[in-house]
Amino acid sequence: DQQVKQNSPSLSVQEGRISILNCDYTNSMFDYFLWYKKYPAEGPTFLISISSIKDKNEDGRFTVFLNKSAKHLSLHIVPSQPGDSAVYFCAAGGSQGNLIFGKGTKLSVKP
Amino acid sequence: NAGVTQTPKFRVLKTGQSMTLLCAQDMNHEYMYWYRQDPGMGLRLIHYSVGEGTTAKGEVPDGYNVSRLKKQNFLLGLESAAPSQTSVYFCASSYGFTSLTGQETQYFGPGTRLLVL
Repeated sequence: DQQVKQNSPSLSVQEGRISILNCDYTNSMFDYFLWYKKYPAEGPTFLISISSIKDKNEDGRFTVFLNKSAKHLSLHIVPSQPGDSAVYFCAAGGSQGNLIFGKGTKLSVKP
Repeated sequence: NAGVTQTPKFRVLKTGQSMTLLCAQDMNHEYMYWYRQDPGMGLRLIHYSVGEGTTAKGEVPDGYNVSRLKKQNFLLGLESAAPSQTSVYFCASSYGFTSLTGQETQYFGPGTRLLVL
């Protein structure tokens, strides 16, 4: 059973608009969450994270929101740029130290 | 700093052959991980290590072995390769985990593409 779910395999957005990527989790023991970005033929790179004690974390154009009661987090990219086109992975971790990854969402930002 | 490096970048094996994938990190990280990525499956943890001389099983450990003889290196071995092991393998490393601060970040290598015929 998937503990971390990214239900949208793909998302297409116009340049300059907002991109919203969603992630749901089932394990209430997770207490930190991360987003990774992956370009083809490269390894994933860390983008932004959030602890369960917060509900929002911002870094430039990227903001992650956490709704613990709904076990839901989202990544907002504003404004979206063509260079943001990549696969985005949501990951969750807890006291065991391992990260559980979602299957990823492929974002396409069109000029 | 090179970060996390992986060798080789690409390899073709025949069923039954063996090989070792090498991961090296120069960030003095305690934790190291091996993942595989398959289409539509995300990243799945194979094995990990919480320090030199330690290893532990992840989500999909069958068919693989690992060794962490030096802090900076983490080796992934396939003793008898099978077509089901065709995948992209990623190594990652991190300082450790601090669930209270939520700042556990894993740094990934560029990946090794393995094709088993």
